[in-house]
Amino acid sequence: GAGVSQSPSNKVTEKGKDVELRCDPISGHTALYWYRQSLGQGLEFLIYFQGNSAPDKSGLPSDRFSAERTGGSVSTLTIQRTQQEDSAVYLCASSLEGRFYGYTFGSGTRLTVV
Amino acid sequence: AQSVTQLGSHVSVSEGALVLLRCNYSSSVPPYLFWYVQYPNQGLQLLLKYTSAATLVKGINGFEAEFKKSETSFHLTKPSAHMSDAAEYFCAVSGGTGNQFYFGTGTSLTVIP
Repeated sequence: GAGVSQSPSNKVTEKGKDVELRCDPISGHTALYWYRQSLGQGLEFLIYFQGNSAPDKSGLPSDRFSAERTGGSVSTLTIQRTQQEDSAVYLCASSLEGRFYGYTFGSGTRLTVV
Repeated sequence: AQSVTQLGSHVSVSEGALVLLRCNYSSSVPPYLFWYVQYPNQGLQLLLKYTSAATLVKGINGFEAEFKKSETSFHLTKPSAHMSDAAEYFCAVSGGTGNQFYFGTGTSLTVIP
């Protein structure tokens, strides 16, 4: 596609429920990233996929968070047993391989846990 | 290790005045540096990037930034602020392993008419 597409744009869920957030990167971008942006905070790195390499999961805050990337394209971030502190905007970005290239971000999914 | 510090979480300028948003970085390798802008309820958009070519980098919407190695800085400037510049601005450094970027905590720019 022309840009990075994220769905849903907004998600309200009850505490304790599981949620899945989807990211469709730009075609041909081998790198895909998930970040979390809490109110008034900067961007918190969650996870990074590069091609067929093992993902860098060093930013996942707990074992309730997981992500996968199927076929080197679409990625799903799953949060199990959601907590109120999980409320944030979840941003996905993709890029070509190499530090020269900046990220292209999606518009994010605003998650609210009530 | 790589990190970015943005001085001033909130900056207010009058319309037509100079915009200066500060960014200092720390990097154990030659850095690539980026500025992103985030308008309300939108994702981040790349403003400009430094990738070891010219130290003065020009970006979109009249913004520019100068890489100063001696000061480990990459401040963002615009000669004359416009109301449409009101947004959140993030500085980021890329370095080390992988493509991971390290973002600053952001600076919220308010433009006063």
